[in-house]
Amino acid sequence: QSVLTQPPSVSGAPGQRVTISCTGSSSNFGAGYGVHWYQKLPGTAPKLLICGDTSRPSGVPDRFSGSKSGTSASLAITGLQAEDEAEYYCQSYDNSLSGSVFGTGTKVNVL
Amino acid sequence: QLQLQESGPGLVKSSETLSLTCSVSGGSISTNNFYWGWVRQPPGKGLEWIGIIYYSGRTYYSPSLKSRVTISLDTSHNQFSLRLTSVTAGDTGVYYCARVDAGGTPNYFAMDVWGLGTTVTVSS
Repeated sequence: QSVLTQPPSVSGAPGQRVTISCTGSSSNFGAGYGVHWYQKLPGTAPKLLICGDTSRPSGVPDRFSGSKSGTSASLAITGLQAEDEAEYYCQSYDNSLSGSVFGTGTKVNVL
Repeated sequence: QLQLQESGPGLVKSSETLSLTCSVSGGSISTNNFYWGWVRQPPGKGLEWIGIIYYSGRTYYSPSLKSRVTISLDTSHNQFSLRLTSVTAGDTGVYYCARVDAGGTPNYFAMDVWGLGTTVTVSS
């Protein structure tokens, strides 16, 4: 199992706001390492959504936002759309592993 | 526009070595501020970070794979490669190569450009 824990799934109706948590520890978020978030659609490569806790790469809608506090991080999706139905992964460096790691992944279901 | 493309055998026999290459176009791998890395996704499972390499040769590997994995650069062909020894069925999955932004903070490692992925099946 990963050192970054996410809920298996979250659900929301179109237009609603959903949040995905990513729980870490003192060896990753607590040590000050940044969190990045990826969207993974079936059959396609992961797409970087949020980098460095809160930054959106060019082209990513502002419906996606990130935050981090202490040993936890979150991804929020506002104005949920059908096309947002995908898996989402957090990622950070962990100094106990001396490498980076992905979270366990969260499936977002649009009702 | 930077593009990455994975290539290599889609079928590898158990106990043998998996070798994949990532060809980079639209930019040089011999550049500071970026690492180059590999990620995989076994069937029905989540993403797994394999490792990354800097143009200087500095590498970081997943501790669970470290004893079996080597990532190397071929600057003359603007490629980088993954080598995984003693494979088992557990190494079956889709393998992605990616550009890794070194960022402005230590161990930033955001993967911002990805290849399409290549499927590798380990057979007995």
